[in-house]
Amino acid sequence: SYELTQPPSVSVSPGQTARITCSGDALPKQYVYWYQQRPGQAPVLVIYKDSERPSGIPERFSGSSSGTTVTLTISGVQAEDEADYYCLSADSSGTRVFGGGTKLTVL
Amino acid sequence: EVQLVESGGGLVKPGGSLRLSCAASGFTFSSYSMNWVRQAPGKGLEWVSSISSSSSYIYYADSVKGRFTISRDNAKNSLYLQMNSLRAEDTAVYYCARASGGSSFDYWGQGTLVTVSS
Repeated sequence: SYELTQPPSVSVSPGQTARITCSGDALPKQYVYWYQQRPGQAPVLVIYKDSERPSGIPERFSGSSSGTTVTLTISGVQAEDEADYYCLSADSSGTRVFGGGTKLTVL
Repeated sequence: EVQLVESGGGLVKPGGSLRLSCAASGFTFSSYSMNWVRQAPGKGLEWVSSISSSSSYIYYADSVKGRFTISRDNAKNSLYLQMNSLRAEDTAVYYCARASGGSSFDYWGQGTLVTVSS
């Protein structure tokens, strides 16, 4: 079955830049969507179609794509950005798959 | 205001069945694809199933195919997940989520907990 690979954890100090990657063989042909999930809360969409930012999401969140890897970048990380981040994409059959998730720790 | 409210979770024995519901309000339900996503305790998100606005297209994760059935009633603004032959590994919080395009799940419910245990 199709898989998306994320690093289990990323740690940064406040004000630094955090980069979270998501890798998958189908990513050159499929969009990736990024979700932020704080403890005890439902996920929130922070990036759609690889690099588009929904209204209400701070400009420090951005996305980029290169080959089989997509990257979520959080510039000027703030304490409130500490959360789990998941990428989501689809395979050619229409089924979706989430990455395993990355825990972002703000030191 | 868009609202999604799940219900129907609870404790069920292995092999049992449960039907989850998701009541939608604040938007034209019949215009959107809908999804179920689950999260086992302490684990990551797992996409479960999706259904298009008119129920023409339905997809399932391999882990639930043949056991779960997604459906919707646009007249009642409701989404459903019929879960049969439940296993311990189906224990999770189940979220319904609206898809605004592709896999842009822009609104989520608060989730309902399903526990499969003897």
